[in-house]
Amino acid sequence: DAKTTQPPSMDCAEGRAANLPCNHSTISGNEYVYWYRQIHSQGPQYIIHGLKNNETNEMASLIITEDRKSSTLILPHATLRDTAVYYCIVKDAGGTSYGKLTFGQGTILTVHP
Amino acid sequence: NAGVTQTPKFRVLKTGQSMTLLCAQDMNHEYMYWYRQDPGMGLRLIHYSVGEGTTAKGEVPDGYNVSRLKKQNFLLGLESAAPSQTSVYFCASSKTSQRVETQYFGPGTRLLVL
Repeated sequence: DAKTTQPPSMDCAEGRAANLPCNHSTISGNEYVYWYRQIHSQGPQYIIHGLKNNETNEMASLIITEDRKSSTLILPHATLRDTAVYYCIVKDAGGTSYGKLTFGQGTILTVHP
Repeated sequence: NAGVTQTPKFRVLKTGQSMTLLCAQDMNHEYMYWYRQDPGMGLRLIHYSVGEGTTAKGEVPDGYNVSRLKKQNFLLGLESAAPSQTSVYFCASSKTSQRVETQYFGPGTRLLVL
C-alpha cells in the first residue's frame, strides 16, 4: 500500500471549513484513498473514501487531484466535536492487503470556539 | 444494533499473568481485526480473521494468540503479559461482500501491565 504524508496538526475556527491535506505520491491505479478519524479515547470512525472522482457524504467531502498524488478532506462547517486525529490511508481493494488498514500518525485537528 | 463491543473496558495485569479480550459484532461481518495503539502512535494490526475458524498474523503478532470459534466473536489472548503489552486494544469488523472495505471499530480495551 502506498505511503501517505499528513501535517501533524491543524487548527480551525468553529463554523469554518476545515481542509485537511494528504500526499500519496506513490499511489497506484487500484488503490483507494480512505479517511478515518479518532476522537479522543474512542475507536476510529470511517469518514469517506474515493478512487478518482470527488466524493461527498453527510460527514465530509473528498477532493482527489487529477494525478491522484494528493487529496483533501473537507469538513464544510467544523464544530468542536470534530476535534480529532484524522487519518489518511491508501490501500487497494483486494489482494493480500485486503482488510489491512495501515494507520500512520495522522493530523490532529483542533477546532476552536 | 450494538455494532462492535469489547470486554473488558479496562484491565490491570501483573507481568506473567494471562487474560483474554473479547470482541463481539452483531453485523454479520466476515472479517474481524485486532489492533493495538500505543500513546501518540497510530494503530497497528496484531491479528485478523477472514471468517469463522480462520486467523492470520498482522503487523505485530508476537506475544498474542487469537481464536474465531464463532462468526460474531474474535478473542485476543495474552498468555504471559509483559509491560510492553501495555496499550489500548481495538477490535474492528468489516464485510467481505464490499469491494471497498470499511471497518467498524469497537470502543477499545485499556490494558496496563505492571
